[in-house]
This record gives sequence, structure tokens and C-alpha cells, in this order.
Amino acid sequence: ETGVTQTPRHLVMGMTNKKSLKCEQHLGHNAMYWYKQSAKKPLELMFVYSLEERVENNSVPSRFSPECPNSSHLFLHLHTLQPEDSALYLCASSQEGQGGVNEQFFGPGTRLTVL
Amino acid sequence: SQQGEEDPQALSIQEGENATMNCSYKTSINNLQWYRQNSGRGLVHLILIRSNEREKHSGRLRVTLDTSKKSSSLLITASRAADTASYFCATVPYGNKLVFGAGTILRVKS
Repeated sequence: ETGVTQTPRHLVMGMTNKKSLKCEQHLGHNAMYWYKQSAKKPLELMFVYSLEERVENNSVPSRFSPECPNSSHLFLHLHTLQPEDSALYLCASSQEGQGGVNEQFFGPGTRLTVL
Repeated sequence: SQQGEEDPQALSIQEGENATMNCSYKTSINNLQWYRQNSGRGLVHLILIRSNEREKHSGRLRVTLDTSKKSSSLLITASRAADTASYFCATVPYGNKLVFGAGTILRVKS
């Protein structure tokens, strides 16, 4: 257990559905991240929240909408996805300070399949 | 473009042997981190080495960093079947976030 939980662990959805992924960290960290991991591709950083403010959005399509209501919770709202969005979605958290980027703690991921 | 690139892409060894994985990167970094991922699961942080460090140890893991060559290596000594996983290096360019490489798939045969 890394102290970061994600639900659901598996999700199958049609292209017209709306669903949300949830992430919760129990580590008291001040930064949270969404990553996308597709087969045979490097991990792609999608969004970064630091102190509940979005500080990075890596040109992610608007069909992905993040939400960070507090420092412990992070959501990824999904709507009208495409089959190529099928991937493992990973949430991570870290404690950021002035010393640079520290180690990140990852959740187990949500395996998303878009039909 | 990705910052870190691991080599080899895949490695298969016998239990008890040592495994060495390499990572090369392109720009100056604040630190470099190694992570492990078991099949279809989340990543687990293994070790962080800062740009002013040359070598670090953690149990059976040894990481080296050569900033002049922009490269790092991860050595796993006396490998076990449980070490079978994908290993990723992640670099931290100054003022930026973690950038992951594509990973090395390690298989340890018992």
C-alpha cells in the first residue's frame, strides 16, 4: 500500500458515457498528478495540482476534466471519450518544496476501456 | 520528446544474477529517480539521486549518475523472481516535473 487509492480499478464505458475516476491520498502531500499509461508508450503527465490549484495541463483534450476539491482528493471526469483513450490512468501525490521535485507515490491505477 | 530513455528495452536473467539497466537523458537535471512497476499496477519509487551525487545504495539496489554523460544506471544484485517488473527512470529538469522514459522490462527466471 502506497497511501494512494484509486477507484474504480477497472472501467468499461461507451463513447457517449460520462464517468469519473477518483483518487485519494492519505499522506498529507500538497501535490497530486494524473498520468496516462498506454501500451508501449512512456508515462504521459496529464495534469498537476499543487496546493489545490492546477499548475500544469499538458495539452490534454477537453473531454478529460480534472477536479481537485481539496489536497487529499483528485477526480478525472470523462465524457465522450474515444477508443484511443483506453489506457491505465494513474494518480500520484508528492510533497513539493523548494528542493525540487521529490518522489511520487502512485495509486494502483484505473484500467479504462472505451468501446 | 521524452527526456529519459532506458536501455535495454527488455532483459531476461537467471535468479541470483545481477541486472543492470541504463538511462540516458538530454537536458540538465535537478535529480533522477528510478521506479518499478509490476504488471498493470502503479509505480513504486525505488531511489532518488540528486545532480550533485554520483552513487547511491538502497538494499540490493545501486544507482550511479554521470552528469557529464547525462546517464544513470540501476544495478540490482542477486536478483530474485520477485524483481520481475518494468523499471523506469524519471528525470527532473530544473523547474519542471518528472519526465518518464519508456522503461526496461526485467524478467528474472527461477
